[in-house]
Amino acid sequence: EPEVTQTPSHQVTQMGQEVILRCVPISNHLYFYWYRQILGQKVEFLVSFYNNEISEKSEIFDDQFSVERPDGSNFTLKIRSTKLEDSAMYFCARGAGGGNNEQFFGPGTRLTVL
Amino acid sequence: GENVEQHPSTLSVQEGDSAVIKCTYSDSASNYFPWYKQELGKRPQLIIDIRSNVGEKKDQRIAVTLNKTAKHFSLHITETQPEDSAVYFCAASIRGSQGNLIFGKGTKLSVKP
Repeated sequence: EPEVTQTPSHQVTQMGQEVILRCVPISNHLYFYWYRQILGQKVEFLVSFYNNEISEKSEIFDDQFSVERPDGSNFTLKIRSTKLEDSAMYFCARGAGGGNNEQFFGPGTRLTVL
Repeated sequence: GENVEQHPSTLSVQEGDSAVIKCTYSDSASNYFPWYKQELGKRPQLIIDIRSNVGEKKDQRIAVTLNKTAKHFSLHITETQPEDSAVYFCAASIRGSQGNLIFGKGTKLSVKP
């Protein structure tokens, strides 16, 4: 571990600004997931990404959010116009595929929206 | 959609005692149930999981049981140690381990030496 890294570890931004959070797999994985965790609360699913396409997304993942794999390696989560309530830890998770596709979380990015 | 309830929200035990955390789920199609441990400021770490074709799974001091009929599953930690202190989250998925995980609200376990 870790099997994915995330950058930055902490991002501070002003409300209304765009942010891009990055997830970098260390080895080849097929499945990626983004989750968020507001301080002191449970982990919430945002979106899953399989074979370079969105597989599932939650109600939280509205038009303000997008995911990409721009270079076939890094995996990004973009929030177009941040709101105060977007302040949270954002975790990227990876799954290996196949029958034992356990999800392992990256170290997370703490996003603070002022 | 799936909803996962977790109890208790906090649990305090003496070192060496056992701890039990219980979760219920709403969607009978759920077939994968992982447990994650999260220390303060750290990522959730997978500690054990169970699939719907199994009733019980054990890994050293940790065990998980699943009752599909009642739609509940439990985490059992025996011989607790201070380093077991953390927040524990249960989760469920209707698409196996590939699907999105729906988490419970977490249980803060404190193990007193």
